[in-house]
Parts: sequence; structure tokens; C-alpha cells
Amino acid sequence: GAGVSQSPSNKVTEKGKDVELRCDPISGHTALYWYRQSLGQGLEFLIYFQGNSAPDKSGLPSDRFSAERTGGSVSTLTIQRTQQEDSAVYLCASSLGGMRELFFGEGSRLTVL
Amino acid sequence: RKEVEQDPGPFNVPEGATVAFNCTYSNSASQSFFWYRQDCRKEPKLLMSVYSSGNEDGRFTAQLNRASQYISLLIRDSKLSDSATYLCVVNFGGSYQLTFGKGTKLSVIP
Repeated sequence: GAGVSQSPSNKVTEKGKDVELRCDPISGHTALYWYRQSLGQGLEFLIYFQGNSAPDKSGLPSDRFSAERTGGSVSTLTIQRTQQEDSAVYLCASSLGGMRELFFGEGSRLTVL
Repeated sequence: RKEVEQDPGPFNVPEGATVAFNCTYSNSASQSFFWYRQDCRKEPKLLMSVYSSGNEDGRFTAQLNRASQYISLLIRDSKLSDSATYLCVVNFGGSYQLTFGKGTKLSVIP
């Protein structure tokens, strides 16, 4: 489809393991965002990519979290040594840049046991 | 601080009612404002942008009060399909980071 694609849709892992979440944005969208949403909570900003500019990493909660965007397209969010408090839905969104409309993927639901 | 505050609700209203939500934000230098809608266990989707002069889209009206640092959303003639969580979103300037409120839950009852 033409929308934002995220994988996996569900991930169950054990505490201490590393996980990788993938986001494939809408073709042509230069901006890409990662957010996470815990149960009953709002969206928490994690990181923002815009073209070739340095990413805005100000929302990453700890150095266990990192993200990259290769070739200005696909992005991977990596969480090392997962903790139970990392359990959440991780949402990726893309846009044409600036303050344009964000198009979200369906999210990756992470459960850390 | 970058904070966006919303009444979590839930707002339970009958079909056909008019309902209004408010949202307050912490930084007077904020530049861009939006309302997003999130259905249960779904991703958020843009409902409408909020312009300084206020704007209307069908049954939905958004207003911005910069002096008091709040945004409102008015829904007229509520439909069952309007049941969702409404998210207030603010760009505080300086970057393209968007800060989301925790949302106001609306249930429209037959």
C-alpha cells in the first residue's frame, strides 16, 4: 500500500534483549518521526529526521535507544537491553516536511517480559 | 517546558449534541497547532490544523487564543462515528518536533 509501513506489528521479548523496529515511510516524504505511546498515555516524541539534516534526538529517553534512517527512506529504531518500562506501542510517522500533516503507521506493539 | 494539557474526559454526549474541548499549552512562542483524532487501538490521523483566525471544516470548528494559550475544538451535531480520542498537538518552535496532549475521549451515545 501507499501508507507508512511498520514491522513487526507485535514483538514480545525478554528483559535484557535488544529489539529493532522498522519503519518504511511514504515515498517522497522527507520527514520521519518516531513516537511511543504507553497504555492510556499520550504520544511521547522520540526522534525526528528531516532529509539530510542532523536528527532531533532530544526525545530519546536513554542511551539504550537509537535510530537511524538510511538513504533518506527506511528507518530503524533500536532498543538495547530492553526493560519492562519500554513496553509500549512505537509509532512511526512521515510527512512532506515542515509542519505538514503527519501520516502514521499502525505501530509496533512491544511487550517486554 | 513543552507541555500540552487536555481534559481526559470521557465526554459522553447524545447524538446531535454540541461538544467542546479545550487544550492549553505552556509556551507563548508556539507556532503551529493541530487537532488529531485517534480511534481505539488505531493510529492518530489529522483532523484539522488550527489557524490564528479560527477555522471551520463542516461540523468542526477550531479556535486559537494566543493570549490565553489555549486551543479549542467544537463539534456540532455529534455523530456516533465521532466517538474517538481527540489529540491536541503543538509545535513549540525551534524545531519540527510536535508535542501531543494525552487526548480527550469522546463517546457519542445513541
